[in-house]
Amino acid sequence: DAKTTQPPSMDCAEGRAANLPCNHSTISGNEYVYWYRQIHSQGPQYIIHGLKNNETNEMASLIITEDRKSSTLILPHATLRDTAVYYCIVRVAPNFGNEKLTFGTGTRLTIIP
Amino acid sequence: ETGVTQSPTHLIKTRGQQVTLRCSSQSGHNTVSWYQQALGQGPQFIFQYYREEENGRGNFPPRFSGLQFPNYSSELNVNALELDDSALYLCASSRQGEQYFGPGTRLLVL
Repeated sequence: DAKTTQPPSMDCAEGRAANLPCNHSTISGNEYVYWYRQIHSQGPQYIIHGLKNNETNEMASLIITEDRKSSTLILPHATLRDTAVYYCIVRVAPNFGNEKLTFGTGTRLTIIP
Repeated sequence: ETGVTQSPTHLIKTRGQQVTLRCSSQSGHNTVSWYQQALGQGPQFIFQYYREEENGRGNFPPRFSGLQFPNYSSELNVNALELDDSALYLCASSRQGEQYFGPGTRLLVL
C-alpha cells in the first residue's frame, strides 16, 4: 500500500469548513484513498473513499487531484464533535478477505468554539 | 454504533500471562481484522480472518494468534504477555467494503 503524509495537527473554528490535506505521491492506479477518523478512546470510523473522482456523502467531501498524488477531506461545517484524529489511507479495493488497513499517525483536528 | 462489539472493555494482566480477547462482528460480515494501537500511535494491523481462515498477517510474533468461528465472531489470543503488549486492541468487521470497528479492549500488562 502507498505511503501517505499528513500534517500532525490542525485547528478549525466551529462552523467553518475543515480542510484536511493528504499527500500520496506514490499511489498506484488501482489504489483508493480512504479516510477514517478516531474520536478519543473509540474505534476508528469510516468517513469516505474515492478512486479519482470527487466524492461527497453526508459526513464529508473528498477532493482528489487530477494526478491523484494528493487529496483533501472537507468537513463543510465543523462542530465540536468533529474533534478527532483523521487518517488518510491508500489501499487496493478490498476483496475476498484482503481488507487490511495501514494507518499512519494521522492529523489531530481540534475544533475551536 | 457499528454493531461490532468487543469484550472485555478493560483488562489488567501481568507479564508472562495469557489473554483472550473477543469480538462479535456485524451481521453478514465474513472478515474480521485485528489491530493493536499503542498510545499516541495509529492502529497496527495484526491479522485478519476470512471464512474462519487466517488471511494476512502483520509484523507480529506467533504468540499472537486468533480464531474465527462459523458465526464469524473472533478471538485474539496473546501468550507470554510482555509490557509492550499494553495497548488498545481493536477488531473490525467487513464484507468487501468499509471496515467497521468495535470500541476496543484496553489491555494493561504490569
